[in-house]
Amino acid sequence: EVQLVESGGGLVQPGRSLKLSCVASGFTFSNYGMNWIRQAPGKGLEWVAYISSGSSYIYYAETVKGRFTISRDNAKNTLYLQMTSLRSEDTALYYCARRQLVDYWGQGVMVTVSS
Amino acid sequence: DVVLTQTPPTSSATIGQSVSISCRSSQSLLHSNGNTYLHWLLQRPGQSPQLLIYLVSRLESGVPNRFSGSGSGTDFTLKISGVEAEDLGVYYCVQGTHAPPWTFGGGTKLELK
Repeated sequence: EVQLVESGGGLVQPGRSLKLSCVASGFTFSNYGMNWIRQAPGKGLEWVAYISSGSSYIYYAETVKGRFTISRDNAKNTLYLQMTSLRSEDTALYYCARRQLVDYWGQGVMVTVSS
Repeated sequence: DVVLTQTPPTSSATIGQSVSISCRSSQSLLHSNGNTYLHWLLQRPGQSPQLLIYLVSRLESGVPNRFSGSGSGTDFTLKISGVEAEDLGVYYCVQGTHAPPWTFGGGTKLELK
């Protein structure tokens, strides 16, 4: 069974940093590209970042470019999102999702940016 | 960036009724490789989104066949033939033809009448 489990969220002050993790199981993690997608409270879905299976291709939404860094450790079956210079508008539930098809999603981890 | 416009924003249905949701793209989603990367997701209340239909009309494994997708170019439709209680939630279309960025429609909330 495919499972994606996010962690690392919480309450953080504006301008501070936070690192999210997503541990994958039930499939060969190193064979798949991965995404971070977020959902602000009561809002729709917003794609944040994508990383290819071997980390050769990395893309970011304009809203996070230069502040967020996506990475992965295939030996640990883990996807990461390093978030810096956080803003109130980054407050959202952050999901990791498998490949460009977004065929599997984690349960999400909440990030709240507030003073 | 590609803008996906979903209509209606909210749909009210009775159990057993058929429902259609539209997703219109600001540009053609036909990729140069011949595929159309338009997919449909369902987010049930309090849950993560799940993939229902991919590449316009292909049913994801385990998804009931009362769900169907159709369309081409810029106009796409998700149809539910006989709504069941478990179908309630928010439906999203998402495109990958002109990614990055991957873009989502604004969502259509399906509720009981």
